Amino acid sequence: DVKVTQSSRYLVKRTGEKVFLECVQDMDHENMFWYRQDPGLGLRLIYFSYDVKMKEKGDIPEGYSVSREKKERFSLILESASTNQTSMYLCASGPGGANTEAFFGQGTRLTVV
Amino acid sequence: GENVEQHPSTLSVQEGDSAVIKCTYSDSASNYFPWYKQELGKRPQLIIDIRSNVGEKKDQRIAVTLNKTAKHFSLHITETQPEDSAVYFCAASPMFSGGYNKLIFGAGTRLAVHP
Repeated sequence: DVKVTQSSRYLVKRTGEKVFLECVQDMDHENMFWYRQDPGLGLRLIYFSYDVKMKEKGDIPEGYSVSREKKERFSLILESASTNQTSMYLCASGPGGANTEAFFGQGTRLTVV
Repeated sequence: GENVEQHPSTLSVQEGDSAVIKCTYSDSASNYFPWYKQELGKRPQLIIDIRSNVGEKKDQRIAVTLNKTAKHFSLHITETQPEDSAVYFCAASPMFSGGYNKLIFGAGTRLAVHP
């Protein structure tokens, strides 16, 4: 059974703080993704990674960066948190190659005050 | 880039009725179309998917159809039950030249099934 685990379920941070969201998968997947979920906007892709140390911008990368030093771990970094980054963040992983399913973590609800 | 539009945003049906959710995509190179169900407070989970070489796929009460010419695909749920109540997301996967892919999601449909 695929397991994608996000380090925190709920997080409250102050404006201007540097925030790290961690995601770990245990299935040796090549692809990992960070999505942001907001009501009425669905799941929007922030960044994805198809290999260790490789990353690609998604649709809304501004204000975020990512790190993938090990295959199983994909971190999302908010360099200087702002209130408009208050959202639900979902990590996902997939085997790679063509036409692959994405397995989601349980989500981190981040509130920036 | 790829864009996926999903309609309706909300759908209310009586138990036993059918529900249909429709999506359109913009990138004609997309070749994988999954549907995810997200129950309240839970993670999205894949319920059915379809690849570009078939036009229809069925799994018990759930079916998905794909029209590549028109670039749209639909989810059909028959004999709806209260436990079908959830947010449903469609997605499309454009293939990159490097061989890796990403999923672009629609905005979601909140389905409510009333007993």
